[in-house]
Amino acid sequence: GEDVEQSLFLSVREGDSSVINCTYTDSSSTYLYWYKQEPGAGLQLLTYIFSNMDMKQDQRLTVLLNKKDKHLSLRIADTQTGDSAIYFCAESRFNQAGTALIFGKGTTLSVSS
Amino acid sequence: DSGVTQTPKHLITATGQRVTLRCSPRSGDLSVYWYQQSLDQGLQFLIQYYNGEERAKGNILERFSAQQFPDLHSELNLSSLELGDSALYFCASSVVNSNTEAFFGQGTRLTVV
Repeated sequence: GEDVEQSLFLSVREGDSSVINCTYTDSSSTYLYWYKQEPGAGLQLLTYIFSNMDMKQDQRLTVLLNKKDKHLSLRIADTQTGDSAIYFCAESRFNQAGTALIFGKGTTLSVSS
Repeated sequence: DSGVTQTPKHLITATGQRVTLRCSPRSGDLSVYWYQQSLDQGLQFLIQYYNGEERAKGNILERFSAQQFPDLHSELNLSSLELGDSALYFCASSVVNSNTEAFFGQGTRLTVV
């Protein structure tokens, strides 16, 4: 299909690790992104990974990319209540007119104390 | 604060009407992107402008149009509004003609009654 797919909900306890998974569709996507949206707010770029990388680590965030399976994951270590938000996976798609970010429907992460 | 400013924050209007949403990109950013976020469709890319020129088009209806002015601010015009146009409209900006490090505004919540 043409959609970027994510599971809709994830619930974890404070201090645990969270893993949010995503499958994308365009094997030519150069960049893949994770955005965070808190209630009533815009989207905040968390991290991105270049398509020739397998892994990227940024403090508590680890992004893993499996190009063969077109699978992207975001691991949040030591999840805190402040991490509760909607997390969007996105791929960049190029066409003759330019580029566009194609988003998944978002995964709502709920962190309980 | 992402540095991207959208006005107004909220807008309520009747079906059949026309509205204009405004976006001021971050200082120095040449690219502006418009997205629509609704419960059923998720985040949909509408259109991209780069330095005043249209560069990419997504799922933008013919009733919608946009432009980017010489001072780089952008406006999204929505006409003949329908109930289904009720959504959160986001603007994002980035430095180059790429989606790397696109920063999002807080959005304009449009309610069509």
